[in-house]
Amino acid sequence: NAGVTQTPKFQVLKTGQSMTLQCAQDMNHNSMYWYRQDPGMGLRLIYYSASEGTTDKGEVPNGYNVSRLNKREFSLRLESAAPSQTSVYFCASSEWGSGGRELFFGEGSRLTVL
Amino acid sequence: GENVEQHPSTLSVQEGDSAVIKCTYSDSASNYFPWYKQELGKRPQLIIDIRSNVGEKKDQRIAVTLNKTAKHFSLHITETQPEDSAVYFCAAGGGYNKLIFGAGTRLAVHP
Repeated sequence: NAGVTQTPKFQVLKTGQSMTLQCAQDMNHNSMYWYRQDPGMGLRLIYYSASEGTTDKGEVPNGYNVSRLNKREFSLRLESAAPSQTSVYFCASSEWGSGGRELFFGEGSRLTVL
Repeated sequence: GENVEQHPSTLSVQEGDSAVIKCTYSDSASNYFPWYKQELGKRPQLIIDIRSNVGEKKDQRIAVTLNKTAKHFSLHITETQPEDSAVYFCAAGGGYNKLIFGAGTRLAVHP
């Protein structure tokens, strides 16, 4: 099993460009999440999907959109990238809800917005 | 909503010493408190977790304690080794409530 796979691993964008981060999990998990990690700020939840067909805002959703394409895939879209969105992005999944279940993270995607 | 504070932000110890990282949370409804370890350039991985019906949990050199009354929980690492060097994150959540992470503690274990 590959676990949680996210692409691309690295991306450089110019301000105003758009891009989509892709995430797929093969563990048959119901819930999926997108976090961003910035120095000294820990892991902050952007959006999550408790189950296929549902999405909800997390702590820092502004400037992002998500799509739960199916049970396996959860994508994160930046419509008009800004330098403040320079960060490392982690996709994660859990069996059902993050409140009491282990989160399995992808390897991360490092995004730089110039 | 939930707010998690984690201290210290950096911790330096000699190999063989103990390390303690402390977290406080604000939402009394939280009942699940995991700890994640992130090695340099790697993904975070769960190392231990505790639920509100338990006061302490141990796994070899790692232990976590929880004080629900005071709303704080701590990670204890004994007999530290260089491979324990990493960033450690605490988190708090409950039921279907989303997990909120602390800002992280960078632990350096010097040989």
